[in-house]
This record gives sequence, structure tokens and C-alpha cells, in this order.
Amino acid sequence: NAGVTQTPKFQVLKTGQSMTLQCAQDMNHNSMYWYRQDPGMGLRLIYYSASEGTTDKGEVPNGYNVSRLNKREFSLRLESAAPSQTSVYFCASSRREGAVGEQYFGPGTRLTVT
Amino acid sequence: GQQLNQSPQSMFIQEGEDVSMNCTSSSIFNTWLWYKQDPGEGPVLLIALYKAGELTSNGRLTAQFGITRKDSFLNISASIPSDVGIYFCAGRGSGSEKLVFGKGTKLTVNP
Repeated sequence: NAGVTQTPKFQVLKTGQSMTLQCAQDMNHNSMYWYRQDPGMGLRLIYYSASEGTTDKGEVPNGYNVSRLNKREFSLRLESAAPSQTSVYFCASSRREGAVGEQYFGPGTRLTVT
Repeated sequence: GQQLNQSPQSMFIQEGEDVSMNCTSSSIFNTWLWYKQDPGEGPVLLIALYKAGELTSNGRLTAQFGITRKDSFLNISASIPSDVGIYFCAGRGSGSEKLVFGKGTKLTVNP
């Protein structure tokens, strides 16, 4: 039981390049989330998906797109990377019944845009 | 939007000391969560609270859901060097699947 996995762990991009961050969970959770973490800013929600086939914007969605590929996988795409997107990106998942609200996080992707 | 104020921002303590940190909100939450993040890792859930007034322990950690539903507290007793990290509070409002996070308390423990 790996929990939440993310790939890649590190990435360096040039301004204007695109990339997709991958996330998968094996806990049979319905909801999945993408956050970015910047020094002094805490965790800010980019997008989330309450169930397969649905996605919604969070606090800082500009410059990002997401795809909920199936129940297990939720990807985050940067179409044209900017230096302001240099950050650590975390994926999380949670169930929708029972202990609602408990989110479980992956190890993160450290992205640098030059 | 909803905001969480987490304090203190940082703490420097000696091994063996007790630690207290808290979060306050401008609005009511139905769930309070406490996470710990080690350097280079993702946040790990420590304690979840679901009821106003609830007091829950996890080893040397104790957290409380404030009776006003607008605050929560985390205490760590007899700190040890591996307690070092950043502690985050998070709250969930009624009917929401989203969490609001505090900005974290960075804990340093001197051996």
C-alpha cells in the first residue's frame, strides 16, 4: 500500500516549456487535490477533483490545467511554465464518507522554472 | 475567503520541554486537522478532530477542538529531537471538501 505517489520528484524547466506532474493513490479515495507550497505561504489549493470526471478550481488555478484520468490518477499540467511557478507541488487524496476531510499527501515534486 | 492564523510562526526549545501552538479562524469549522512536515517530505496527518470540545491524543501529542469551533490547539509534551519540523493546522467548513491551511509553526529542538 503505497498511499499517494508523485512523479517526478524534481524537475527543472525553462520558461515557456510544458510538463505534466503525475499523481496516483491506491487508497480508493474519491477526492484528489493539487497544492503548491511556497516559503511563508503555507499550502495553497490549485485544483481539486471530488470524483472521477469532475474538477474544480481552487485558490490559485491560473496557469494550470488538471485531468482526473480515473479514480486513481490526477495529473497537473503546466502549459507554458513561468518563473512564478517555481514551487513544491503536492498531491493529496481523501475519502468522501466516514472521516471526511482527512487528506493524505504525496512526497511532492520540486519544480524550478528558469 | 476563510483564513487561519497559526501561532507562533517559529519556536526554539530545549529537548524535554513542552510545546504549545494554536490556530484561530474567522469562521466556524467542522473539522480540525494537525499535520507535521519534515524537510523534503509531504505533510503527514497527526491528529483529526471532529467535535467541538474534543480532546485527542497521539502519543506525546494532544490536540483540542475549541468549543467556539473557531480554534484548535496542539501540545507536544517532553519534546525530542525528532519533533523538529513544521506543524500545520487545517480546518474544513460545513459541506466543503476543501481544507484551509495555516502557514505553519516551525519547531526547532535543541538537544
